[in-house]
Amino acid sequence: QVQLQESGPGLVKPSQTLSLTCTVSGGSLSTGRYYWSWIRQYPGKGLEWIGYIYYTGSTYYNPSLTGRVAISVDTSKNQFSLNLSSVTAADTAVYFCARCAVGATWYFDFWGQGTLVTVSS
Amino acid sequence: QSALTQPRSVSGSPGQSVTISCTETSSDVGGYNYVSWYQQHPGKAPKLMIYDVTKRPSGVPDRFSGSKSGNTASLTISGLQAEDEADYYCCSYAGTYAWVFGGGTKLTVL
Repeated sequence: QVQLQESGPGLVKPSQTLSLTCTVSGGSLSTGRYYWSWIRQYPGKGLEWIGYIYYTGSTYYNPSLTGRVAISVDTSKNQFSLNLSSVTAADTAVYFCARCAVGATWYFDFWGQGTLVTVSS
Repeated sequence: QSALTQPRSVSGSPGQSVTISCTETSSDVGGYNYVSWYQQHPGKAPKLMIYDVTKRPSGVPDRFSGSKSGNTASLTISGLQAEDEADYYCCSYAGTYAWVFGGGTKLTVL
């Protein structure tokens, strides 16, 4: 059974860069049938897709975040990471990493437990 | 503002059926059949309940079913049980490898 686990600072100052890592266990991130995703949930509960990465390094981002977001992958560590720059209080959210099945079918089937990131000075 | 509109809340008594709607309000989303539904209990990660509009992952009770008509997808839960009380989110492929979620619906089991 695939498991995902987010890690990173829970508090980030405004204008700085939010950095999180997702460690995948129970399966290889290099399997070609999946995109590896970041999704956040605001305190008011809405979910927002941030972006995802293929094991080859191809990335796709939410157009509303283009320019501030970067997702990278380290296949040797079975990890992928999120960097979100120039953060404001509006970026305060629970950040989830998730696996997205692709091909003939598309859905997010495995999720990490989520990590709360607060943007505050 | 989400391109998928869900009712903020629905409720039902144990044993009854409830339906949660998810209406596409943006032409950017329209027409894709990659609609999925997620259940989220407080403090937990979302759990996949339905994918590709109507398909159920292994382990999800057959009390959960999905459908779509026009620009509205629906999740129906029959034979409501107390443990079904949760938030439910729809999600749709929006083209160009992008995704959009609905605003979520709180299901209360009376």
